[in-house]
Amino acid sequence: EVQLLESGGGLVQPGGTLRLSCTASGFIFNSHAMNWVRQAPGKGPEWVSGISASATDTYYADSVTGRFTISRDNSKYTLYLQMNYLRVEDTAIYYCARDWNYGGLIYYFDYWGQGTPVTVSS
Amino acid sequence: DIQMTQSPSSLSASVGDRVTITCRASPGINNWLAWYQQKPERAPKPLIYAASTLQSGVPSRFSGSGSGTDFTLTINSLQPEDFATYYCQQYNTYPPTFGGGTKVEIQ
Repeated sequence: EVQLLESGGGLVQPGGTLRLSCTASGFIFNSHAMNWVRQAPGKGPEWVSGISASATDTYYADSVTGRFTISRDNSKYTLYLQMNYLRVEDTAIYYCARDWNYGGLIYYFDYWGQGTPVTVSS
Repeated sequence: DIQMTQSPSSLSASVGDRVTITCRASPGINNWLAWYQQKPERAPKPLIYAASTLQSGVPSRFSGSGSGTDFTLTINSLQPEDFATYYCQQYNTYPPTFGGGTKVEIQ
């Protein structure tokens, strides 16, 4: 059974940093691209960032470019999102989502974690 | 970015009803469209990809259709567990984008 378990969310002040982790199980992690998708309170989901299976390619939404960094450790079956210079508008539930495709990203998300909440507030 | 517009934003229906939700893409996206179901406090659950292909394990009362700019999610014989919010998402053009959602409520 595919499982994705996020951690690392919390309350942080504007300008602060957080590092999210997503531990995967139940599939060959280094075969699939991975993504982070967030959902602000009362809003629809928003794609944040994606990384290819081999970690050679990374992609970011304009809203987080230059502030967030996605990475992965295939030996640890873990996906990361380093979030710097956080803003109030980054407040959301952050989901780890597996890309349906093997290797590169096609951005269809066939498995999602339960999410970790991030609140940016002073 | 591709704009995804869902209608209606909410609807009320009864168990056993047939429900139709529409999603419009601007510009067109071929058939690279997915539908997700989300219940409160839960992650989105994939239902349909490539506009009309059911994700494994999804009941056959769910169906999708459309291509280009206009897409439809249909739920035949609505069940109590189907009351939720539904989102469309395009993955034809980077970056991927979601619709605003349709909340299906109990009448």
